[in-house]
Amino acid sequence: GENVGLHLPTLSVQEGDNSIINCAYSNSASDYFIWYKQESGKGPQFIIDIRSNMDKRQGQRVTVLLNKTVKHLSLQIAATQPGDSAVYFCAENSGGYQKVTFGIGTKLQVIP
Amino acid sequence: KAGVTQTPRYLIKTRGQQVTLSCSPISGHRSVSWYQQTPGQGLQFLFEYFSETQRNKGNFPGRFSGRQFSNSRSEMNVSTLELGDSALYLCASRQPTLGNEQFFGPGTRLTVL
Repeated sequence: GENVGLHLPTLSVQEGDNSIINCAYSNSASDYFIWYKQESGKGPQFIIDIRSNMDKRQGQRVTVLLNKTVKHLSLQIAATQPGDSAVYFCAENSGGYQKVTFGIGTKLQVIP
Repeated sequence: KAGVTQTPRYLIKTRGQQVTLSCSPISGHRSVSWYQQTPGQGLQFLFEYFSETQRNKGNFPGRFSGRQFSNSRSEMNVSTLELGDSALYLCASRQPTLGNEQFFGPGTRLTVL
């Protein structure tokens, strides 16, 4: 089946710096992408989403960029804080129903 | 408003047994999806239920089944457990009329010995 994968399994960032988490996807029919954050012992938490007709979307301290040409998705976190330490997943949805395909995840470690 | 709840939180079973996991969605949410999370495979979609009907299914064997009740609560059943079924099973709910955002529960940690 189609896969959503992550380039970096672990990312260490100094507190206050910006973080960039990357994701590659292979299903060109995907029309909706989501970033989730999962803290230890908890379920994933929605961060931000983007539709395939957009190439950028901004939230509070987070920005998602979508490059459909190379099937690449990224999550930028500005002024990274210790509370941002978690595993981040990108996911794609290629249908009307919630059949979401997740990548393995990237662990973000914030160094105080 | 209470979040998604899952019971039990932890479960230990032996090979060959069966298990039933329960999920109560956020009040008003009619869609419930189930996922299996393992260190090697990440989050994998099992199935989605909406209004008591299975709307979508992932690539899992028939040993994995589910159902949804009229109050939107959902159960997932795994029969003839295998060691490889050890995982965190996550449930997520949403209300389609409000958008695509899913709300996840804390999960049930299943260990198969």
